[in-house]
Amino acid sequence: DTGVSQNPRHKITKRGQNVTFRCDPISEHNRLYWYRQTLGQGPEFLTYFQNEAQLEKSRLLSDRFSAERPKGSFSTLEIQRTEQGDSAMYLCASSLALAGVADTQYFGPGTRLTVL
Amino acid sequence: AQKVTQAQTEISVVEKEDVTLDCVYETRDTTYYLFWYKQPPSGELVFLIRRNSFDEQNEISGRYSWNFQKSTSSFNFTITASQVVDSAVYFCALSENTNAGKSTFGDGTTLTVKP
Repeated sequence: DTGVSQNPRHKITKRGQNVTFRCDPISEHNRLYWYRQTLGQGPEFLTYFQNEAQLEKSRLLSDRFSAERPKGSFSTLEIQRTEQGDSAMYLCASSLALAGVADTQYFGPGTRLTVL
Repeated sequence: AQKVTQAQTEISVVEKEDVTLDCVYETRDTTYYLFWYKQPPSGELVFLIRRNSFDEQNEISGRYSWNFQKSTSSFNFTITASQVVDSAVYFCALSENTNAGKSTFGDGTTLTVKP
């Protein structure tokens, strides 16, 4: 059973460029989450999917951010017109959710974004 | 709103010492879940334990133990006979049952175990 994988592991981009990250969850997991982590802070929730449905989005997720999970398997997180404040580690997690139960999330290695 | 506070930003101990990492949480839900994760220098968050609000039994797993006290809204983590490999950032997290999709994390405690 492979864990959660994320690509790329590192991304350096110039301000104003668009970037896209990919997350492949654990195969039987139905929920997928995106978090953002900056230095010295804990992960902050961005959004999550149950299968292909995006069920919640944080207020942190500005309109420059969009996430998809088209077939209920892998997910992509796109940031348009990147800003230096977007520099962070973007973490993906997946879980096998039962109805009404807060499930255990398993995290991937993250994608570290640096915006110059 | 849910909140997790880890008041200890950094802790440094010498190998073989015992160390306790504190976690205090706030929630209005009666059903919730608490977690501890370890983030080693490699960066990947590693799940350690999950407890629900109805189970206040303390748990021991090898050198790790957890003390859950609803009366003080605390979920503390103790490492016995610490080792250099325990050096990492440790995060406590909370998920409310009515908001089952997301976890709220504390800001972490950086543990350094010196040889």
